[in-house]
Amino acid sequence: AQKVTQAQTEISVVEKEDVTLDCVYETRDTTYYLFWYKQPPSGELVFLIRRNSFDEQNEISGRYSWNFQKSTSSFNFTITASQVVDSAVYFCALSDPNQTGANNLFFGTGTRLTVIP
Amino acid sequence: DTGVSQNPRHKITKRGQNVTFRCDPISEHNRLYWYRQTLGQGPEFLTYFQNEAQLEKSRLLSDRFSAERPKGSFSTLEIQRTEQGDSAMYLCASSLGRYSNQPQHFGDGTRLSIL
Repeated sequence: AQKVTQAQTEISVVEKEDVTLDCVYETRDTTYYLFWYKQPPSGELVFLIRRNSFDEQNEISGRYSWNFQKSTSSFNFTITASQVVDSAVYFCALSDPNQTGANNLFFGTGTRLTVIP
Repeated sequence: DTGVSQNPRHKITKRGQNVTFRCDPISEHNRLYWYRQTLGQGPEFLTYFQNEAQLEKSRLLSDRFSAERPKGSFSTLEIQRTEQGDSAMYLCASSLGRYSNQPQHFGDGTRLSIL
């Protein structure tokens, strides 16, 4: 069965600090997709990144970077030089097309990040 | 390109009443999903449409819940005989593609409160 674990419930950092959000996933299949979404206080889930299971290259987008390691079933997210606008709940999610034709997302419980000015 | 639109944003109703939510996906997105999110949790999948066909339902979707997507455009989610446990944020998402795993784009959600 699919499972996504975000062990960090809440994290607080001071502005300009770097912060890493952890995500560990479980799936039986070799083909799957991993996602990160941001949910600001307004409530809308904002897509940040998608990774497929065959692409282990790390990715950097501005202040955001992602570290995908299949050996440890982890897909961690780092924000460099955090800003107050980064304050939100961040969700890691897994999609396993072999298990469900819907490609629906299995979400973790989220990590609430607070950036203190 | 407008995003996913959901109405209403908030719904307060008494236990036992019926409620209906609407979702307008991004135009030309053939896939549409409904999720439910309770406080402190991640969204949980409820049901999925490909065009007008409802292809998958979660076991979370009890027989009091029904969803439709006539003509493959907007979708409605109805809850009959609401219960306290139905209080949650109901999220709609849409994506494009038949076989690929494109990102799902979410609306702002409808927050349901049962008195």
